[in-house]
Amino acid sequence: DAGVIQSPRHEVTEMGQEVTLRCKPISGHNSLFWYRQTMMRGLELLIYFNNNVPIDDSGMPEDRFSAKMPNASFSTLKIQPSEPRDSAVYFCASSLRSGSAWGTDTQYFGPGTRLTVL
Amino acid sequence: QQQVKQSPQSLIVQKGGISIINCAYENTAFDYFPWYQQFPGKGPALLIAIRPDVSEKKEGRFTISFNKSAKQFSLHIMDSQPGDSATYFCAASGDAGNMLTFGGGTRLMVKP
Repeated sequence: DAGVIQSPRHEVTEMGQEVTLRCKPISGHNSLFWYRQTMMRGLELLIYFNNNVPIDDSGMPEDRFSAKMPNASFSTLKIQPSEPRDSAVYFCASSLRSGSAWGTDTQYFGPGTRLTVL
Repeated sequence: QQQVKQSPQSLIVQKGGISIINCAYENTAFDYFPWYQQFPGKGPALLIAIRPDVSEKKEGRFTISFNKSAKQFSLHIMDSQPGDSATYFCAASGDAGNMLTFGGGTRLMVKP
């Protein structure tokens, strides 16, 4: 399996521009997560989908951020308009939620997209 | 209530030594405690995980110790190697692992 695929790996843009990050989860996985990692705030969960439906988006910082999952094999995270404080590494992760009694639903992370907003 | 506090932020250990990273949580509903390892330029990857009905889990040189009454758990890396140099994150979840709350991370450097 190719693992979680994210694109682009690096993105440099100017303040005010729209940014779209893409994620292809592992085939067969039914849960998808978007995280943001910064030195100051560590690893933060932004949004979580289960069976393509957003379950919890309480971590989305503000209305400038939106995420979609139109099908089981693709998700996007969009920032419009982007600001310098959005600069971070954005990770997508997927898992197979088996409904087991305890957590065996390992999250597999992609390589991340390093976003720089000038 | 959802926080997971991790310490230390950074750790330097000599090759062959024991690395110990600690985490504490408050939410008693947490029932899944994984540790993730992250190398520079890579995403975090699951290293080892424990459930609260056992006090210890060992996989090779990596051991999780769990203290339910104190709401603390720790990662021990025995015979630390330079290849173990990475950032380690503890995490916790209360719904069978699907939504993880991560600790702040510990940057480990193992000196040869």
